[in-house]
Amino acid sequence: GQQVMQIPQYQHVQEGEDFTTYCNSSTTLSNIQWYKQRPGGHPVFLIQLVKSGEVKKQKRLTFQFGEAKKNSSLHITATQTTDVGTYFCAGFSGSARQLTFGSGTQLTVLP
Amino acid sequence: DAGITQSPRYKITETGRQVTLMCHQTWSHSYMFWYRQDLGHGLRLIYYSAAADITDKGEVPDGYVVSRSKTENFPLTLESATRSQTSVYFCASSESRDTIYFGEGSWLTVV
Repeated sequence: GQQVMQIPQYQHVQEGEDFTTYCNSSTTLSNIQWYKQRPGGHPVFLIQLVKSGEVKKQKRLTFQFGEAKKNSSLHITATQTTDVGTYFCAGFSGSARQLTFGSGTQLTVLP
Repeated sequence: DAGITQSPRYKITETGRQVTLMCHQTWSHSYMFWYRQDLGHGLRLIYYSAAADITDKGEVPDGYVVSRSKTENFPLTLESATRSQTSVYFCASSESRDTIYFGEGSWLTVV
């Protein structure tokens, strides 16, 4: 079945440093979504990418969908303490009926 | 916003007891989902429903029962709770193969 891997599993950064998490699928994805979960909270939708090579920005966050639609990345510029949380990617493949979530990257930002 | 609500938020129960987690959404979304989240496993789909009276198994359905007699409600029942079912349970809804909106979660401890 479809597998979505995310690396790294954990990342500690100093406030102001950049952060990147990577998502890789075993199959071609029809779309990729990113979610953020604050400690003790629930996952919240951030963005969806659909097109091959698509790049979207939300303030300090940059999301990219690979040309082959099998990988994606989330880059945060100049992290802030408010960025703390776990970031999940999730994707549909053509044959899958439901989203498959990656295992998440837990980001800690040290002040 | 309170578009999707879960109850109870916190529950402690004994092994072998039946437990029902409730989920209610006010958006009239077609799709509803139940996920469990455990350390090291990310979000795993238990059951989902594409419409009232239509349910299907996800990745980890064993030991769980769902029903969906009305579009807005999607209860999850643990027929005979086991310690391995101690987890955080998230209900979610979606209109299509698109953004998923999560509830705030139900923390279940089985002792």
